[in-house]
Amino acid sequence: DAEITQSPRHKITETGRQVTLACHQTWNHNNMFWYRQDLGHGLRLIHYSYGVQDTNKGEVSDGYSVSRSNTEDLPLTLESAASSQTSVYFCASSELSYEQYFGPGTRLTVT
Amino acid sequence: GNSVTQMEGPVTLSEEAFLTINCTYTATGYPSLFWYVQYPGEGLQLLLKATKADDKGSNKGFEATYRKETTSFHLEKGSVQVSDSAVYFCALTQNTGNQFYFGTGTSLTVIP
Repeated sequence: DAEITQSPRHKITETGRQVTLACHQTWNHNNMFWYRQDLGHGLRLIHYSYGVQDTNKGEVSDGYSVSRSNTEDLPLTLESAASSQTSVYFCASSELSYEQYFGPGTRLTVT
Repeated sequence: GNSVTQMEGPVTLSEEAFLTINCTYTATGYPSLFWYVQYPGEGLQLLLKATKADDKGSNKGFEATYRKETTSFHLEKGSVQVSDSAVYFCALTQNTGNQFYFGTGTSLTVIP
């Protein structure tokens, strides 16, 4: 069965370190998205991609970057982790205007 | 612009009670509307959707009707169960671009 996976599921890191969160989907979807989920804010869009070599900034992109070198993967990098980036991160994928499929999430703690 | 507003939680109901979670939206054009559900420790799953005005989405006893005149997509269930305890998100997408706009989520707890 097609799926979308995220790794690691839990991560603790220190302020200032670079961190990369992985997202891998086997749906063969062109569209991929990264969100962060924080209490009181719901899901906020960080970055998204409509295909290989395409990346776009979302609502809360400062301090984050993504790259899309193939259809299956969209890694999210925190260049220099800050305590404000402690959150739960969700990756999603979709095709055209159909539903988004979500990964299980990564809980990131920045100390 | 595009945005979704849903009722604040948390909501606590007794088993077999009637559930309504309100959702209103602002959008240009004619968006598609969705309800997602998030169980503890998991990602979001699609619960139901509606792609045009007056459509009714339904799944697992939940229903929501796309009301263009009131820009609403309220979620209802006639008799909730303990297993319905979760966080519910209303969302919209325009038919171009596929960006989703989510509400802040409504936490539902159903007690036996």
